[in-house]
Amino acid sequence: KQEVTQIPAALSVPEGENLVLNCSFTDSAIYNLQWFRQDPGKGLTSLLLIQSSQREQTSGRLNASLDKSSGRSTLYIAASQPGDSATYLCAVPTQGGSEKLVFGKGTKLTVNP
Amino acid sequence: GAGVSQTPSNKVTEKGKYVELRCDPISGHTALYWYRQSLGQGPEFLIYFQGTGAADDSGLPNDRFFAVRPEGSVSTLKIQRTERGDSAVYLCASSLAGDTEAFFGQGTRLTVV
Repeated sequence: KQEVTQIPAALSVPEGENLVLNCSFTDSAIYNLQWFRQDPGKGLTSLLLIQSSQREQTSGRLNASLDKSSGRSTLYIAASQPGDSATYLCAVPTQGGSEKLVFGKGTKLTVNP
Repeated sequence: GAGVSQTPSNKVTEKGKYVELRCDPISGHTALYWYRQSLGQGPEFLIYFQGTGAADDSGLPNDRFFAVRPEGSVSTLKIQRTERGDSAVYLCASSLAGDTEAFFGQGTRLTVV
């Protein structure tokens, strides 16, 4: 059974700092890994999707890496801004297929002005 | 539409009542998913549709929960005899196919009193 763990559960940083969020998963036989952002009381916004054949994906100040063999992914946020404050979730497909996602509990990020 | 639309955004109902939650996916997306998110947790899978049929309903907690997608587009999640433990945010997502990027709606916050 696929399990996803995100560390830390919460993170508070001053504006401008670079930071790394961690995600680990137990079954490395995945098709892809997706990072989401969730603002309080809102749905999920897709940030980055990394295919299993890729090692990283970049979008603006965000860079996500994937190491399938070790079951890990990181989300790097450069030059953090108060507007980056949100909960960040990673998700991977369940074993054997990619139709449904298993999520971590998320990392709640606060960027202080 | 431009994104996944869920209605209502909030629903308060009395214990024992019946509720319906609606999801309008992105046009052309054949895959549709329902997830449930409790406070402080990541979303948990409920059911997955490919076209009109439920390809995987293994996440439905019991037979009070049912979902339909009669024309392969809009889906309705139906909950009978609601209980206080059903209170959560119900999220809908869609994707072009089962193994591509999933896009989420804003969710329906269900409160059973």
